[in-house]
Formats: sequence, C-alpha cells, structure tokens
Amino acid sequence: QKEVEQDPGPLSVPEGAIVSLNCTYSNSAFQYFMWYRQYSRKGPELLMYTYSSGNKEDGRFTAQVDKSSKYISLFIRDSQPSDSATYLCAMRGSARQLTFGSGTQLTVLP
Amino acid sequence: GAGVSQSPSNKVTEKGKDVELRCDPISGHTALYWYRQSLGQGLEFLIYFQGNSAPDKSGLPSDRFSAERTGGSVSTLTIQRTQQEDSAVYLCASSPRWAATNEKLFFGSGTQLSVL
Repeated sequence: QKEVEQDPGPLSVPEGAIVSLNCTYSNSAFQYFMWYRQYSRKGPELLMYTYSSGNKEDGRFTAQVDKSSKYISLFIRDSQPSDSATYLCAMRGSARQLTFGSGTQLTVLP
Repeated sequence: GAGVSQSPSNKVTEKGKDVELRCDPISGHTALYWYRQSLGQGLEFLIYFQGNSAPDKSGLPSDRFSAERTGGSVSTLTIQRTQQEDSAVYLCASSPRWAATNEKLFFGSGTQLSVL
C-alpha cells in the first residue's frame, strides 16, 4: 500500500464549478502538507502549504487538512480553463524529502 | 532569469549506455533535490544536496545511479548501463532555505529520458 493515495481521475468539470481534490495518507509522522500544480511538460509548482489541521485559503484555492482522519483536500472555486492541469498532493514529516501522491488530472471545460 | 534549468530536455538512449542529466538551480539556493516521475506515477525522491554534500542517498534505486554537485551550484545525475525501466522524467528542484519548516521547492521542467 502506498503511503499517499490520490485518485488519478481524470476529472472533467464545466467552467465555474467547484472542484474538490483529495488525498489520504497512512504515515502519522507527516506534519507538512502541500498541493502542487503541474502543467503538461512542466515541473510542479507549489500552490498551497499547510502545517496544522484546519483550512487555509488563498484566493480561489482552499486547502483543508484533517490529521485525525489522515485526509487532505484542495478546493478550487470558480474554476477556470487555465486551472486545467495535474494536481499533486505532497507531504513530509521531519525528513527532507516529500512524498507525493500520483496526481489528479483536471480539465475545466469552457 | 531565472528558474531551475535542466538539460537536456529530452534524451533518447540505447539500453546499456550511460547518461548524464544536468541541473542548474536558482542562484543562491542551497538545497537541491532530484525526483523521478514515471508515467501516471507521483514523484519519487532520489537524492538531495545541502551545499555539495548529499546527506541522504537512500532514494537512489540502484548503484547504477549517482549524483554530484559542485560549487554549491550545478548538479549532475548519472545513470550507468541504462535499463528500460529507467525511462521517466527526471526533475530537479532547488530551495533557498535549508531546513525551513515551510521550505518551498522550485522545480525545473525536467529531462524526459527514454531508454530503447
């Protein structure tokens, strides 16, 4: 079983929809949680970073962490075609390296 | 300007050949990471450098893989006697703040390696 599980999709939504992306994890040592966005043929770029359980909002993006359930989410409001990309959750404990989910491919249709 | 630069962007090689992949991190970034991304898979950690030293080599898949960093800047990932299962996108990332709790990684666009 992988340490981090993420539904690969693909997920297709109409423009303006609310998108929900999720990851579950098994390692209780994970303390830091991130969401990366990766466009085709590009490297991942950091979208959101959270440390504690709860919600963190940045513009149209909200990251949610529930450590008791080992579950994290990313919500995208008013989704745009430019949000079409692969979204990767990532997390780590005290070790330096990140453990990534396999990514969810999102398409927002105009 | 600049971001993390990786070269070549694409590399096609024959099974058994050696390849070198290069990463130029953002100037002044002290930490450098190598990850591998196979089709439909998440990123797999390979190795990281703090300055020129690699405290953790545990992610290297086999002794055919090695990496070095010189001058606290450029890094080279070398794969000897390539195998078809080595085919993947090799991503490099750098970070300005070593050991920061909110360390932010900046990724390059990767090298697509295809082993025939």
